[in-house]
Amino acid sequence: KQEVTQIPAALSVPEGENLVLNCSFTDSAIYNLQWFRQDPGKGLTSLLLIQSSQREQTSGRLNASLDKSSGRSTLYIAASQPGDSATYLCAVLSGGYQKVTFGTGTKLQVIP
Amino acid sequence: EAQVTQNPRYLITVTGKKLTVTCSQNMNHEYMSWYRQDPGLGLRQIYYSMNVEVTDKGDVPEGYKVSRKEKRNFPLILESPSPNQTSLYFCASLSWGSPLHFGNGTRLTVT
Repeated sequence: KQEVTQIPAALSVPEGENLVLNCSFTDSAIYNLQWFRQDPGKGLTSLLLIQSSQREQTSGRLNASLDKSSGRSTLYIAASQPGDSATYLCAVLSGGYQKVTFGTGTKLQVIP
Repeated sequence: EAQVTQNPRYLITVTGKKLTVTCSQNMNHEYMSWYRQDPGLGLRQIYYSMNVEVTDKGDVPEGYKVSRKEKRNFPLILESPSPNQTSLYFCASLSWGSPLHFGNGTRLTVT
């Protein structure tokens, strides 16, 4: 059974700092990995999708990497802003393109 | 606009009263799925569907039913809701190679 872990569970940083969020998964036979952000009481906003054949994806200040062999993905946020404050979730699609398993998230607070 | 639409957004009901949460997508996606989100437990998959008339259990299917009679719709049915099904529910869809698209969520309270 796929298990997805996100560390740290919470993170507080001053504005402008670069930061890295981590996502680990136990079964490397994945189809893709997706990063989301969720604001309190809101839905999920897709940030980046990395296919299993890819090593990284970039969108603006965000960069996500994938290392299937080690079961890890990182989300790099450059020059953090207060508007980046949210919970960040990673999700892995595996099990024959059927099962989606989420990590429990990293709650980020960027202090002005 | 490409979207996944869930209804209702908020629902308060009583134990044992059957309810249905609807989910519809306009992207012609083959795959649709339901999740519940609970504090400390994160998002967990309830059921998923690979295509019309093809459904399977996720990690927490007990107490739920689904059907996929049309490609665009994937309703979640609670035949006899109980208080432990109070949660935030999300529907999502995807097609091969595309991101998972989520609906805005349904907050269900069972008293």
